[in-house]
Amino acid sequence: SAVISQKPSRDICQRGTSLTIQCQVDSQVTMMFWYRQQPGQSLTLIATANQGSEATYESGFVIDKFPISRPNLTFSTLTVSNMSPEDSSIYLCSVEGQGVTDTQYFGPGTRLTVL
Amino acid sequence: QKEVEQNSGPLSVPEGAIASLNCTYSDRGSQSFFWYRQYSGKSPELIMFIYSNGDKEDGRFTAQLNKASQYVSLLIRDSQPSDSATYLCAVTFMEYGNKLVFGAGTILRVKS
Repeated sequence: SAVISQKPSRDICQRGTSLTIQCQVDSQVTMMFWYRQQPGQSLTLIATANQGSEATYESGFVIDKFPISRPNLTFSTLTVSNMSPEDSSIYLCSVEGQGVTDTQYFGPGTRLTVL
Repeated sequence: QKEVEQNSGPLSVPEGAIASLNCTYSDRGSQSFFWYRQYSGKSPELIMFIYSNGDKEDGRFTAQLNKASQYVSLLIRDSQPSDSATYLCAVTFMEYGNKLVFGAGTILRVKS
């Protein structure tokens, strides 16, 4: 499976600021996904990011709050904008598996705390 | 009905026993089924996937799928304390394309 890295691994931010999370993969992948995992909860898909097209957002998530870039086949960023304490979560990127239908592999995650 | 349901646990088993984790899902043209393991503070790790009815074995892990009854299970034989983690069931549904829908996860504790 692909090697996935995320930056930063954790951050503590002030209310009203924005944070951009980077996701880097060591091989080219068509589809990348961004998830949120709130404390004690399961994973919720924020959006799907395909290279060369606008990200597709899930119900309850909007581009103004979570803008996503996908400039090439190995990189994506997720920005959490105008943060509030409710945005405190782990943010995870994942990539589709190669040659195995529907599989996804996750990066190490970014633990965000908003004060 | 929630789309993917799991008992949150915790499920406690003694070391060396078989741990049985269950997951049920709604009938929405389900396609693919996955089990992820998540240690505290870590990201989910894919441990098993299954697409067809029946059993699939990989080392100490066996995934069992029964589409007629809409459940998928994960058996862990010879459970070890290192198996203590949260196990997430995920399903893809035809109407959602290749998006994974996760259950809430089951906490497994293996006691030595």
